[in-house]
Amino acid sequence: GAVVSQHPSWVICKSGTSVKIECRSLDFQATTMFWYRQFPKKSLMLMATSNEGSKATYEQGVEKDKFLINHASLTLSTLTVTSAHPEDSSFYICSAPVRHREPQHFGDGTRLSIL
Amino acid sequence: SQQGEEDPQALSIQEGENATMNCSYKTSINNLQWYRQNSGRGLVHLILIRSNEREKHSGRLRVTLDTSKKSSSLLITASRAADTASYFCATTGANSKLTFGKGITLSVRP
Repeated sequence: GAVVSQHPSWVICKSGTSVKIECRSLDFQATTMFWYRQFPKKSLMLMATSNEGSKATYEQGVEKDKFLINHASLTLSTLTVTSAHPEDSSFYICSAPVRHREPQHFGDGTRLSIL
Repeated sequence: SQQGEEDPQALSIQEGENATMNCSYKTSINNLQWYRQNSGRGLVHLILIRSNEREKHSGRLRVTLDTSKKSSSLLITASRAADTASYFCATTGANSKLTFGKGITLSVRP
């Protein structure tokens, strides 16, 4: 079945550091990928839609300059949390559908802890 | 705001019992999906039901959809301890965007 790989799974870094998270579709091409943020015991909140070959579409309230998204190829999207602060600590998850409106395949998430 | 709203928020049952989880949504949908999340992991797709379908089965899972009431239910029969997880309903809108409900935490006691 379709697999989405997310890396790293866990990162701890100092305040002010920029952190890059990768999301790869391993056996299918993903023209669209999605990035979510999840707080403990809460649901997933869509942050942005990553589009191959064009700019990402951000949800209302998500800072574009804070969360940089680059869809570098048909199998790779990256989320960079710039100048991270403790309030950016969260669980970040990516997903991609094989086809439009079909079930999405999720990465295993990245737990980001900013000290 | 969250599209899907599940109830109950938490459910604890004995192994072998059935678990029923409900989800309500607010706008028209193309389909409704149920996902499962084990603690600290990504989501796993369980089942998708399209807006023109009323019921769907997959193994021990049974999903119903009532578009007139904008609601769906997920039934897990003969539950197992390994079914312990969080379950989310999600509706699909434009551009494959998913809108998730708050989730239900299911605990199955051995």
